[in-house]
Amino acid sequence: QKEVEQNSGPLSVPEGAIASLNCTYSDRGSQSFFWYRQYSGKSPELIMFIYSNGDKEDGRFTAQLNKASQYVSLLIRDSQPSDSATYLCAVSVTNKLIFGTGTLLAVQP
Amino acid sequence: NAGVTQTPKFQVLKTGQSMTLQCAQDMNHNSMYWYRQDPGMGLRLIYYSASEGTTDKGEVPNGYNVSRLNKREFSLRLESAAPSQTSVYFCASSATGSGREQYFGPGTRLTVT
Repeated sequence: QKEVEQNSGPLSVPEGAIASLNCTYSDRGSQSFFWYRQYSGKSPELIMFIYSNGDKEDGRFTAQLNKASQYVSLLIRDSQPSDSATYLCAVSVTNKLIFGTGTLLAVQP
Repeated sequence: NAGVTQTPKFQVLKTGQSMTLQCAQDMNHNSMYWYRQDPGMGLRLIYYSASEGTTDKGEVPNGYNVSRLNKREFSLRLESAAPSQTSVYFCASSATGSGREQYFGPGTRLTVT
């Protein structure tokens, strides 16, 4: 079992819809969780982090964490074509981050 | 602030050649990391340096060496390049402490023929 799992997609949503990206992890000791956005040919860019169970909102982005289910998600409201990218989930393990392989999001105008 | 910088941006090597990838950060971070990214494999940790003076192996260290030159700089060396090392290499840094967010450089696209 991979330590961090994501559906590779592509996840296709119409402009203005909510995009929901999901991630599961295997290490119950993980304390910190991150979402990165990566445009094609570019480096990963941090967009959200969450440490506690529940929701954390930042603009159009909401991160959700459920440690009991070992599940973290990212919601993008009012999706725009500029949100089209690969979204990487990362989970802390000791002093390192373990990354999922990413979900490709395509927002259709 | 430039954040994390990497040189070169692109490099083509022949099998058996050596090279060093350079990374520097100006955020006063203690920890630095080297990753490679391959299609379908995601980001895989090669080596990391939790603080100046320390380095540790990550998931895929074979064929690489690193040097933490000072707090700002962390280099990755390929002693004898192989086609399997064709990849995009990213350097990242983070503040002290377990599980802190990492910030990435722009990457080096390396091709080994």
